[in-house]
Amino acid sequence: GQQLNQSPQSMFIQEGEDVSMNCTSSSIFNTWLWYKQDPGEGPVLLIALYKAGELTSNGRLTAQFGITRKDSFLNISASIPSDVGIYFCAGGRPSQGGSEKLVFGKGTKLTVNP
Amino acid sequence: DSGVTQTPKHLITATGQRVTLRCSPRSGDLSVYWYQQSLDQGLQFLIQYYNGEERAKGNILERFSAQQFPDLHSELNLSSLELGDSALYFCASDVGTGGDSPLHFGNGTRLTVT
Repeated sequence: GQQLNQSPQSMFIQEGEDVSMNCTSSSIFNTWLWYKQDPGEGPVLLIALYKAGELTSNGRLTAQFGITRKDSFLNISASIPSDVGIYFCAGGRPSQGGSEKLVFGKGTKLTVNP
Repeated sequence: DSGVTQTPKHLITATGQRVTLRCSPRSGDLSVYWYQQSLDQGLQFLIQYYNGEERAKGNILERFSAQQFPDLHSELNLSSLELGDSALYFCASDVGTGGDSPLHFGNGTRLTVT
């Protein structure tokens, strides 16, 4: 199936640092979503983006829907230990017969050192 | 709590066996999606059901099948299990109207095949 290029694969940072990760694709998407997965749990929706150029914040998290509709980034400011986890981007398109609705990146594993 | 319920949380079985994973979607959601996540891998889309009917199919093996019942809960059946089927299996749901509603994930079933 189609893949998104998510980078970096992993990050090791100090508490208090800012974090940036991004996803790119050769295809256009109607939505971009960012999820966080803690060990042993399911992905939890962090931010949903619905419009090209849209910049949305959720607390210390900020995400943008790229103008070309082929990319998105997620920034985390002033990281804290509980930010540890795997962050997934997902490109979404209307659920049409036969095709999957969400295409996921392979994830960015974030480690925060206190 | 996403509102998506998956049971059981853990399942250990032997090669060649058959198991059934169960998912109850969020109240009001008509669509159910199944994903497989192997160790250190991203989320691989398996199959989607909408209001009881199959809507989209991903990389689902022929040994695997799913269905959605009139009460909208879904079951994923895995048969002739192999060691490589060991993974986390996630169910997600959304309203399923074909729009841009984000998916909400359950906490998964961890399947171990020995």
